[in-house]
Amino acid sequence: EIVLTQSPGTLSLSPGERATLSCRASQSVSSSYLAWYQQKPGQAPRLLIYGASSRATGIPDRFSGSGSGTDFTLTISRLEPEDFAVYYCQQYGSSPRWTFGQGTKVEIK
Amino acid sequence: QLQLQESGPGLVKPSETLSLTCTVSGGSISSSSYYWGWIRQPPGKGLEWIGSIYYSGSTYYNPSLKSRVTISVDTSKNQFSLKLSSVTAADTAVYYCARREGHGAFDIWGQGTMVTVSS
Repeated sequence: EIVLTQSPGTLSLSPGERATLSCRASQSVSSSYLAWYQQKPGQAPRLLIYGASSRATGIPDRFSGSGSGTDFTLTISRLEPEDFAVYYCQQYGSSPRWTFGQGTKVEIK
Repeated sequence: QLQLQESGPGLVKPSETLSLTCTVSGGSISSSSYYWGWIRQPPGKGLEWIGSIYYSGSTYYNPSLKSRVTISVDTSKNQFSLKLSSVTAADTAVYYCARREGHGAFDIWGQGTMVTVSS
């Protein structure tokens, strides 16, 4: 089973700053099958990035994804007030099965 | 615009079976391009994939839940369903249904339904 570990657990930043979130896999993950989600309190997760670096429909270009193998990154270039939320990475692997990271909370400093 | 909506009891007794249905509107569940899945989130915790189904009926379950989970599809009603048996308090969570697109990501989600396991 592939385990996804996200860091940091919490990121305290101010609006306008750059956010860099990490997702590390216990085994190599196909880049085609790595996704990132945003979740706000009381809401369902929203798909931001699929295929490690492709933005989902309607996602602003301040969100970008990168990485390969076991190390993946979600970058928010300039934080907007609505970007403060919890972010999850997720991989789709063989079997098939899906696993999620434990999440990174981006909070207002 | 495709929408998903979960429905089912909000309260289930310990040892009983949790049953939820996801109704797909604005599109067909029989599309060959997609899988359909269930994901849950205990209060204050992260996301856990429960299982997925293809319109043909092929199913895939999280090994940690496999012995208790059944997911089925009813294409005539454009619905898929989740049954989780022998529930305990640890199964208390918000349960989401979602569509899985070609890259393995869940691109459309229902709003979620809270299920509490308690006597």
